[in-house]
Amino acid sequence: GENVEQHPSTLSVQEGDSAVIKCTYSDSASNYFPWYKQELGKGPQLIIDIRSNVGEKKDQRIAVTLNKTAKHFSLHITETQPEDSAVYFCAASIGDNDMRFGAGTRLTVKP
Amino acid sequence: KAGVTQTPRYLIKTRGQQVTLSCSPISGHRSVSWYQQTPGQGLQFLFEYFSETQRNKGNFPGRFSGRQFSNSRSEMNVSTLELGDSALYLCASGGQGRTEAFFGQGTRLTVV
Repeated sequence: GENVEQHPSTLSVQEGDSAVIKCTYSDSASNYFPWYKQELGKGPQLIIDIRSNVGEKKDQRIAVTLNKTAKHFSLHITETQPEDSAVYFCAASIGDNDMRFGAGTRLTVKP
Repeated sequence: KAGVTQTPRYLIKTRGQQVTLSCSPISGHRSVSWYQQTPGQGLQFLFEYFSETQRNKGNFPGRFSGRQFSNSRSEMNVSTLELGDSALYLCASGGQGRTEAFFGQGTRLTVV
């Protein structure tokens, strides 16, 4: 089955700096890659996703890139703000099959 | 449109007991997936239901079971609870294409 690895497990940046979180997946058939943000006491919230027919997608300060050849994808957050502090999860799925999640990255943005 | 609703939010049970958790998906969504979240293991997939049928299953023992009703609401049952079952149980609702998953706030289960 699919295996997703996520790095780093913790990340601390200064407000205004950029943050990058990277994930690798094992099954080349995976074709959907979402990113979730989980704040304390809440369920994960979808923040951006990318499908395998696209190499990059942006939404304001957030961008995701996908390298199908290397089987890795990354989340980029620019101009970080304290409210970006949360745990971020990447995930990968193959069509209608179950979604497998990375172990999570705890991002802290220091004011 | 209402989001995914999980009940109860918090639960304390004793070892050996059983527990039933409930999830109401977003209106119109037919897929419901269940996940166990623990600090050490992250988000672990339990199972997924679509149109009252279990479509996928993760690597959990038979003590973990679920079902889905005709209105897409789903329940998850854990029998013979163990201390290690203490976790946040999350339910995700999927729409057409099923790829986007929207999570509820979870049920925090504590086994003592």
